[in-house]
Amino acid sequence: IVLTQSPGTLSLSPGERAILSCRTSQTISVSYIAWYQQRPGQAPRLLVYGASGRATGIPERFSGSGSGAHFTLTINRLEPEDSAVYYCQQYGSSSWAFGPGSRLEI
Amino acid sequence: EVQLLESGGGSMQRGGSLRLSCAASGFTFTKFAMAWVRQAPGKGLEWVASVTSTGDSTFYSDSVKGRFIISRDNSKDTLSLQMSGLRAEDTATYYCAKTSALVRFDFWGQGTLVSVSS
Repeated sequence: IVLTQSPGTLSLSPGERAILSCRTSQTISVSYIAWYQQRPGQAPRLLVYGASGRATGIPERFSGSGSGAHFTLTINRLEPEDSAVYYCQQYGSSSWAFGPGSRLEI
Repeated sequence: EVQLLESGGGSMQRGGSLRLSCAASGFTFTKFAMAWVRQAPGKGLEWVASVTSTGDSTFYSDSVKGRFIISRDNSKDTLSLQMSGLRAEDTATYYCAKTSALVRFDFWGQGTLVSVSS
């Protein structure tokens, strides 16, 4: 399964909303999708997963949605600290894959 | 607090071997599958290998299959990655990651850098 993410780069202002897209080459269950944030110089961290799961300590401003082959990560009320690269990830048939990432600049 | 501490990275010649280790703490290691994920300089994330909680089953990306071996020592809460036949394209930061429900990676180490020169 191949993952594509868009946009490649998104520039927004504090307080705005970001919507990041992840498309898979095959239909998959939303249960097998996760989103990660990677700030410069840091390890990735899990943000949201499945239909409505949110990792420990992740603010409610972050939410995931989607079905079939199209999934989105929405970040409300953007803050400067949200500047990062965001990756979607899928699991299927004992294989894991990441999308190429979307860079968000605040 | 979950902690994952990688070690063993360094510079190697093409064709060489290297063993990475990850010391886990703050959770019941024996209950969770574990994985290695790498990131080439300035590039995105690439899943490398995973191992089930018991160590009975292992899974590899096509890019490392036959060259890398993932293993775990549940008596020492340690994850390992034995890398052989190293190539320049294996140059990356290697992250140890704890998996949740085998599907996603819910905790990550800070990574260890492997550099392969030709």
